[in-house]
This record gives sequence, C-alpha cells and structure tokens, in this order.
Amino acid sequence: DVKVTQSSRYLVKRTGEKVFLECVQDMDHENMFWYRQDPGLGLRLIYFSYDVKMKEKGDIPEGYSVSREKKERFSLILESASTNQTSMYLCASSPTGQANEQYFGPGTRLTVT
Amino acid sequence: SQQGEEDPQALSIQEGENATMNCSYKTSINNLQWYRQNSGRGLVHLILIRSNEREKHSGRLRVTLDTSKKSSSLLITASRAADTASYFCATGQYNFNKFYFGSGTKLNVKP
Repeated sequence: DVKVTQSSRYLVKRTGEKVFLECVQDMDHENMFWYRQDPGLGLRLIYFSYDVKMKEKGDIPEGYSVSREKKERFSLILESASTNQTSMYLCASSPTGQANEQYFGPGTRLTVT
Repeated sequence: SQQGEEDPQALSIQEGENATMNCSYKTSINNLQWYRQNSGRGLVHLILIRSNEREKHSGRLRVTLDTSKKSSSLLITASRAADTASYFCATGQYNFNKFYFGSGTKLNVKP
C-alpha cells in the first residue's frame, strides 16, 4: 500500500514564525504536490515537484516555498506565517504520467495566531 | 479558473437511495478523477475515467463523462451511512502532471 505521511496532524504557530511542513512517500513516486484546502474553495495547488530539486508553482504560491532534496520527501515552508495561511494542508504523490491517481496524506491543520 | 465545479454543494439522502453528483469543467482534459474525503482526513481516489471513455463502473460507483458538455457525473447506488463524505472531481490536463480540483459535494447519508 502506498503511504504518504505528513509530519503533524495539528500545528499552532504564531504570526511571523517560519513553519516547515514535511511530507514523505514510500512508493518512489516522481511527482509530489502541496495543496491547501479551505471551506468553499476546494483544493488549491500551492507547488508541485516532478523530480528531485525540481519544482513548479501552482495556483497560489505566494508566501510559500518548497524543498525537495530527496525523492521521497517534499517540504512546504511558510517563510513568515500569517493568519490568512490558517488552513488544512494536504500533501499528495503520484507516479509520473498524465493519468495516474494521486495518493494523499492525512493532512495538517495549521492555525496561525 | 480551470477547476471543476461540483453540483450540488450538499446532498442529503436516506440509506439505500442513490446519490448523484455532477462535475463541470472548462478546458480540454486528459482524464477526470473522483475522490472521497472523510471529515478532516486526506482524499482517497475512487475512480478515473479517460477522455475517450464515456462510462466506467467500480462496485457501487458509476461515472459518466460527456466531453462535448464538459461534464461528468458520479452515481453511488444503494448508499450506506459509511458513504457520508465529501466528493471531489479532479481534472487532469494534457501535458501536465497536475490536477485541478473542484470545491466538492458534501454527501450525508442518513441511516
């Protein structure tokens, strides 16, 4: 079974803090994704990576950066957390190719106070 | 926006009834997928339909795709209380490895 794990289920941070969200997958997938999910807005793509050290911006990259130093690990970084970044963050992975399902982690609910 | 849009936003039915959810999208797609999300959890893949397919079945799920209308529907037959969840469609584009998700349909199946 594919497994995608995220470092925390719940996280509370203060405004201005640097926040790291980590995601690890164990199926040697080339693609990894970070989404945020907000009520009424669905899932919005922040960044994705199709290979080690490769990344592409999604629809809402502002205020975020990512790092992929190893194939199995994809980190999302909030350089200076703000209250409008309070959200559910979902990581996913998939094999390369255009018609492959994504495997999701359980999500991290981040609250920025 | 390239996102799919689900309709209705919320649906409440009795156990044993069928549930139908619709998804509309704007651009040409390579494939369309449906996912389920239980409250506060990650998404689970249900079914994928390619752009050259019109209908696909998986257990109690039936998905149709009409590329001329840029729409898809997900039918869950003989629903169970355990089907209570949010359902999302995701469209896969040509030449991209990323997907666009809609805002979901929240299904409540009453026992």
